[in-house]
Amino acid sequence: QIQLVQSGPELKKPGESVKISCKASGYTFTDYAMHWVKQAPGKGLKWMGWINTYTGKPTYADDFKGRFVFSLEASASTANLQISNLKNEDTATYFCARNQVNYDGTYYSYYFDYWGQGVMVTVSS
Amino acid sequence: DIQMTQSPPSLSASLGETVSIECRASEDIYSNLAWYQQKSGKSPQLLIYYASSLQDGVPSRFSGSGSGTQYSLKISGMQPEDEGVYYCLQGSKYPYTFGAGTKLELK
Repeated sequence: QIQLVQSGPELKKPGESVKISCKASGYTFTDYAMHWVKQAPGKGLKWMGWINTYTGKPTYADDFKGRFVFSLEASASTANLQISNLKNEDTATYFCARNQVNYDGTYYSYYFDYWGQGVMVTVSS
Repeated sequence: DIQMTQSPPSLSASLGETVSIECRASEDIYSNLAWYQQKSGKSPQLLIYYASSLQDGVPSRFSGSGSGTQYSLKISGMQPEDEGVYYCLQGSKYPYTFGAGTKLELK
């Protein structure tokens, strides 16, 4: 069965870096793009961007340009999110989510069909 | 950016009651709309994609409708396991955007 298994919770100090992973199984990793989504405590979902798992090319939402890096270990079917120079406002749960495409003959429709369990990153001095 | 205005922010429903949640997009998203349910401490689960297509394994009491800028999710017969927060997602244009969420509780 299809699974996205993410790494464990992280406690970091401001200014430090963190790298979280998302290991996919049950499908061909390079056939589906991977998205990243942020959820601050008690808040809604915010799309961070996505990575093309075939080419490795990342695309970042404006709020996530600069300190955020999406990368791959394609041989390990793993997508990674690295955040540098951590700030208190980076405290959140970070989800990976698999891209899915629906084509009705005219339009393509994009959505996320499988999600990781989320990684809680806490930034505190 | 496309803004997704979701309503209501919260909802309380009795067992068996039919509930509706709305999402309005700031521009035409061509049915590029998905609905998710998130239970406390869990990751979101896909319910509906392409505005009205039911994801495999999702109970048939969930249905989606809409086109253009207006979309809705209907739960026909509230069940205890339907408690949670519901989000819409537009995948029409970058950046993808979510609605603010609707918290659904059993009365």
